[in-house]
Amino acid sequence: DIQMTQSPSSLSASVGDRVTITCRASQTINKYLNWYQQKPGKAPKFLIYAASSLQRGVPSRFSGSGSGTDFTLTISSLQPEDFATYYCQQSYTIPLSFGGGTKVEFK
Amino acid sequence: QLLLQESGPGLVNPSETLSLTCTVSGGSISSTSDYWGWIRQPPGKGLEWIGTISYSGSVYYNPSLTSRVTMSVDTSKNRFSLNLSSVTAADTAVYYCARRDNIIVVPAANWFDPWGQGTLVTVSS
Repeated sequence: DIQMTQSPSSLSASVGDRVTITCRASQTINKYLNWYQQKPGKAPKFLIYAASSLQRGVPSRFSGSGSGTDFTLTISSLQPEDFATYYCQQSYTIPLSFGGGTKVEFK
Repeated sequence: QLLLQESGPGLVNPSETLSLTCTVSGGSISSTSDYWGWIRQPPGKGLEWIGTISYSGSVYYNPSLTSRVTMSVDTSKNRFSLNLSSVTAADTAVYYCARRDNIIVVPAANWFDPWGQGTLVTVSS
């Protein structure tokens, strides 16, 4: 099974900050990496697929990069609505697996 | 707009079977390119993939749950279902259903979108 490890597990940031979240796979997953945003009490919202392709309607301040085992999600200028928990997920192989999440909190 | 809604008991006794249904509206569950999935999230914890099913009944289960999981599709009612047997307190979680979308020519490029709102299932006597 492929293990997905996110870092940090939480971070504190201010509106306008550039935020970077890292996701590492235990073995290569090519570019088959997705990102989701989850707010308290809500279902995850899909943001990015195939490591760097933005879902329609997702603000362009979100971007993804990486391939192989190392990936990043970047928020170029943090907005109030971006405070949430972010999860990566590999779709390369069964069983599909998620990272443990990164909580972005207000500083 | 595709919408998914989970339904089922919010409380299940230990050792019994958890049964949930996901009703799809705004689109057909019989789309040949779509799969449908279940994901769960224990309170305060991360996400765990349970399994994925096609409209024709092809299934993929998480090996950690495969001995206890059964998924099925009812195309006449545009819904799919999850059964999880022999539940324990460790199965207490919010259960989400979701559509598994993908790039048709690249099957491995798939993702879950949209998701249902989720339903909390507590295992307790």
